[in-house]
Amino acid sequence: DAGITQSPRHKVTETGTPVTLRCHQTENHRYMYWYRQDPGHGLRLIHYSYGVKDTDKGEVSDGYSVSRSKTEDFLLTLESATSSQTSVYFCAISADTLGTGELFFGEGSRLTVL
Amino acid sequence: DAKTTQPNSMESNEEEPVHLPCNHSTISGTDYIHWYRQLPSQGPEYVIHGLTSNVNNRMASLAIAEDRKSSTLILHRATLRDAAVYYCILRGVRNNTGKLIFGQGTTLQVKP
Repeated sequence: DAGITQSPRHKVTETGTPVTLRCHQTENHRYMYWYRQDPGHGLRLIHYSYGVKDTDKGEVSDGYSVSRSKTEDFLLTLESATSSQTSVYFCAISADTLGTGELFFGEGSRLTVL
Repeated sequence: DAKTTQPNSMESNEEEPVHLPCNHSTISGTDYIHWYRQLPSQGPEYVIHGLTSNVNNRMASLAIAEDRKSSTLILHRATLRDAAVYYCILRGVRNNTGKLIFGQGTTLQVKP
């Protein structure tokens, strides 16, 4: 199994509070991704990173920011959480962007915003 | 990114073969066809990928139509552990970010 750890795995917070989710990898893969998954919407890409300090937006980036100061860590921040951000968040990593490359996913972080 | 179309759900009996179809009529010549699956309460996991030729691995087989506008994931003997959502995704080499865009997938139910 690819070495991906997401933390926290479960979090309950209140509307308006900041939240940071962490994705940590031990594979030294260059590419990292944050997805969210909601019933009826499947998996949607929030942000991704193609190297240290290199990030870009995905399909649903509004209300989220990311940072990658080290190869192994990719942080997802909700500056002011809203109830619409209640979701399961998955981190993924990939060694390359070639058509043949696999994405490896973490176990997910379940966030509830009250 | 080219779009894929899959049935919302399928059913199978345990120990029987399962053929999961995927249509991708707008596929480009450099798009690889990837399949992932997501077991309940887990993150997606890679199953198989191919470009033009049929592919086999320990988990499944991938049959690709000659015109590449469709493909079929084949589970040779379904087990209860194969009950999952199966995603067919195109991954192009032109896009240098490597991101995958997931559709709704096919929910496979396996009956004992």
